[in-house]
Amino acid sequence: AQSVSQHNHHVILSEAASLELGCNYSYGGTVNLFWYVQYPGQHLQLLLKYFSGDPLVKGIKGFEAEFIKSKFSFNLRKPSVQWSDTAEYFCAVGAGSYQLTFGKGTKLSVIP
Amino acid sequence: EAQVTQNPRYLITVTGKKLTVTCSQNMNHEYMSWYRQDPGLGLRQIYYSMNVEVTDKGDVPEGYKVSRKEKRNFPLILESPSPNQTSLYFCASRGGEGGYEQYFGPGTRLTVT
Repeated sequence: AQSVSQHNHHVILSEAASLELGCNYSYGGTVNLFWYVQYPGQHLQLLLKYFSGDPLVKGIKGFEAEFIKSKFSFNLRKPSVQWSDTAEYFCAVGAGSYQLTFGKGTKLSVIP
Repeated sequence: EAQVTQNPRYLITVTGKKLTVTCSQNMNHEYMSWYRQDPGLGLRQIYYSMNVEVTDKGDVPEGYKVSRKEKRNFPLILESPSPNQTSLYFCASRGGEGGYEQYFGPGTRLTVT
């Protein structure tokens, strides 16, 4: 079975700082990779996804992620964060047809 | 509007009193799933369904039941709730293989006393 590891539990940044959230997965076969965001009190929304092609994927709100197969990683990046990016971010891996495995999440707090 | 709906959104109940959380989607999705979210543990899958009358256990199925009699509905049943089932529950659906986006419901916050 696949597993997902998110390295940071809580990240605190000032506005305009650059962001990189780590995500590593363990699975030997083909995977589909996702980043979801959960704003306070809301449900999960898809930020971006990768399942084939260009390993650098761009999502909504200026986020991007890079799939590095050799490192089993799918790190999320944003060059300049805003206060409105304060949320919890979840990396997820889909392997096989139906199951999606989530990491434990990284809380991002952006200080104005 | 494409959406996943859950009811109730908030529920406080007592140990042992059977309850059902409903989930419905209007996107004609084949795949539906239930997750629970707990602080520090992320989202863990309880049960999933690949189509009508086809369900399977996720990572934390103990104490839960599901049914899929219609494509649009996927209720979560707690026959005898216990305090360790106090959590935030999300229903999700998607249409195809793993590359497709999962759509999440708004969540149900359950407290069992």
